[in-house]
Amino acid sequence: AQSVTQPDIHITVSEGASLELRCNYSYGATPYLFWYVQSPGQGLQLLLKYFSGDTLVQGIKGFEAEFKRSQSSFNLRKPSVHWSDAAEYFCAVGADAGGTSYGKLTFGQGTILTVHP
Amino acid sequence: ETGVTQTPRHLVMGMTNKKSLKCEQHLGHNAMYWYKQSAKKPLELMFVYNFKEQTENNSVPSRFSPECPNSSHLFLHLHTLQPEDSALYLCASSLFRVGGGETQYFGPGTRLLVL
Repeated sequence: AQSVTQPDIHITVSEGASLELRCNYSYGATPYLFWYVQSPGQGLQLLLKYFSGDTLVQGIKGFEAEFKRSQSSFNLRKPSVHWSDAAEYFCAVGADAGGTSYGKLTFGQGTILTVHP
Repeated sequence: ETGVTQTPRHLVMGMTNKKSLKCEQHLGHNAMYWYKQSAKKPLELMFVYNFKEQTENNSVPSRFSPECPNSSHLFLHLHTLQPEDSALYLCASSLFRVGGGETQYFGPGTRLLVL
């Protein structure tokens, strides 16, 4: 079965500093990987996704993530954080169950990002 | 409206009440999902519908009853809930793609409080 671990429950950074949120996954084949962001009281918004090809993926709001198969990781990065980036971030892995897959996603526990001015 | 909408956004109900949550997607998708998001726990997949047919019931108690009349609408009927059912209920939709990997698009959720 697939699983996702986000080791950091809460991260605090200063505005303008760089950011890296960690995500490790467990899956037997090539995974589909996603990062979502959730602002308080809101649903999840897709930041970026990896299906195949280039292992460095660009997303919205200046975020990027790098798929590293050898480390089973898909860490999210941003070179300069803005106060509006404060939110909760979720990493997810999608199943590939062959011809019957319906796109089941398994989510990590989330990382809460606090941004200090 | 665009995207995935959910109503109501907030709901307070007693344990003996019956209520329904509604989800509507305007993206032309054919798969819809219900998730439960509780504090301190990962998102839990509850139900999946593909082309209006239920394809997943993730061991959800029978006090939660989903309904999918067409590919654009999804309901979650609630009855005799427990306080531990208080949570944010999220609806999502996607295209069905053989082999998986579909991106799911989420609604804003319904914040449910059971007294």
